[in-house]
Amino acid sequence: QKEVEQNSGPLSVPEGAIASLNCTYSDRGSQSFFWYRQYSGKSPELIMFIYSNGDKEDGRFTAQLNKASQYVSLLIRDSQPSDSATYLCAAPNTGGFKTIFGAGTRLFVKA
Amino acid sequence: DTEVTQTPKHLVMGMTNKKSLKCEQHMGHRAMYWYKQKAKKPPELMFVYSYEKLSINESVPSRFSPECPNSSLLNLHLHALQPEDSALYLCASSQEGQGYQPQHFGDGTRLSIL
Repeated sequence: QKEVEQNSGPLSVPEGAIASLNCTYSDRGSQSFFWYRQYSGKSPELIMFIYSNGDKEDGRFTAQLNKASQYVSLLIRDSQPSDSATYLCAAPNTGGFKTIFGAGTRLFVKA
Repeated sequence: DTEVTQTPKHLVMGMTNKKSLKCEQHMGHRAMYWYKQKAKKPPELMFVYSYEKLSINESVPSRFSPECPNSSLLNLHLHALQPEDSALYLCASSQEGQGYQPQHFGDGTRLSIL
């Protein structure tokens, strides 16, 4: 089983809608989770990190962590075409020595 | 503006050439990383330096040789690369060299091997 799993998509949403991106992880001991946005041909950009159960909001982005169910999600409200990118979920590996990236979910926001 | 700077942005080299990729961070971080990324794949960890010491080498072929002259600088020396080494090479830094720290990436070097 992969340590961090994401649906590769593509996920297509209309402009103005809520985009919901999901990620599951295998290590129950994981304490921190990251969401990176990567535009085509560019490098990953950290957009959210969450350490505690529940929701964390930053502008149009909300990260949700459910440790009991071992999933973390990213909600993008009022999606814009400029949000079209690949979103990478990441978490520490077992032992916490390095970061494991999911395969990424490609998001398309249609104008 | 990125606080992790990579040079060059693009590099084309033959299989017999020797070249180096450079990375500098101005965030006061004590850990630096090299990743390799192929198209439509996630970043793949190559090396981790923590407090200027190599802490992780992900069984990378010896044609890739990392160097960390100080906590702000990271180099990747390349020699006798293969066409399959063509990829985006990303440098990143974090406060400490552990997986629960967020990492900040540079813009990357796009490497093409002829």
